[in-house]
Amino acid sequence: DVKVTQSSRYLVKRTGEKVFLECVQDMDHENMFWYRQDPGLGLRLIYFSYDVKMKEKGDIPEGYSVSREKKERFSLILESASTNQTSMYLCASSLQGYMNEQYFGPGTRLTVT
Amino acid sequence: AQTVTQSQPEMSVQEAETVTLSCTYDTSESNYYLFWYKQPPSRQMILVIRQEAYKQQNATENRFSVNFQKAAKSFSLKISDSQLGDTAMYFCAFMSYLGGTSYGKLTFGQGTILTVHP
Repeated sequence: DVKVTQSSRYLVKRTGEKVFLECVQDMDHENMFWYRQDPGLGLRLIYFSYDVKMKEKGDIPEGYSVSREKKERFSLILESASTNQTSMYLCASSLQGYMNEQYFGPGTRLTVT
Repeated sequence: AQTVTQSQPEMSVQEAETVTLSCTYDTSESNYYLFWYKQPPSRQMILVIRQEAYKQQNATENRFSVNFQKAAKSFSLKISDSQLGDTAMYFCAFMSYLGGTSYGKLTFGQGTILTVHP
């Protein structure tokens, strides 16, 4: 079974703090993704990576950065957390190629106060 | 850029009945892929069904089937014999075919919350 894990289920941080969200997959997938999920907006892509040390901006990258030093691990970084980054963050991974299923982690609900 | 629209924020159905969730999308591409994902309460998102745009035959997976209307850019999900375990948020998603550069990116709709009542 493919497994995607995220470092925390719930996280509370203060405005201005640096926040790290980590995602690990165990199926040797090339692609990894970070989304945020907000009511009425669905999932929006923040960043994705198609190989180690490779990253591409998604639709809403502002205020975020990512790191992929190892194939199985993809980190999302909020350099200076703001209240408008309070959201559910979902990580996903998939094999390279078309029509491949994305496998999702359980999500991290981040609250910035 | 592609957009995906799910116009039904919430729906409900009685157990054992059939329900259809709507999805429309906008694209200028001729070849692409469409997906339905399910997010049960407090559980991980999983794939329900997928469809290749150049295949005219509608995809089916057990009780789940799609009605793919390419000209109308419509991709609805039909759930037959609804079960309590079908209660979840359902997302429609679009994937481009760009000759090797899409990297499997998905564009999601807003989601539809489906509640199955006993």
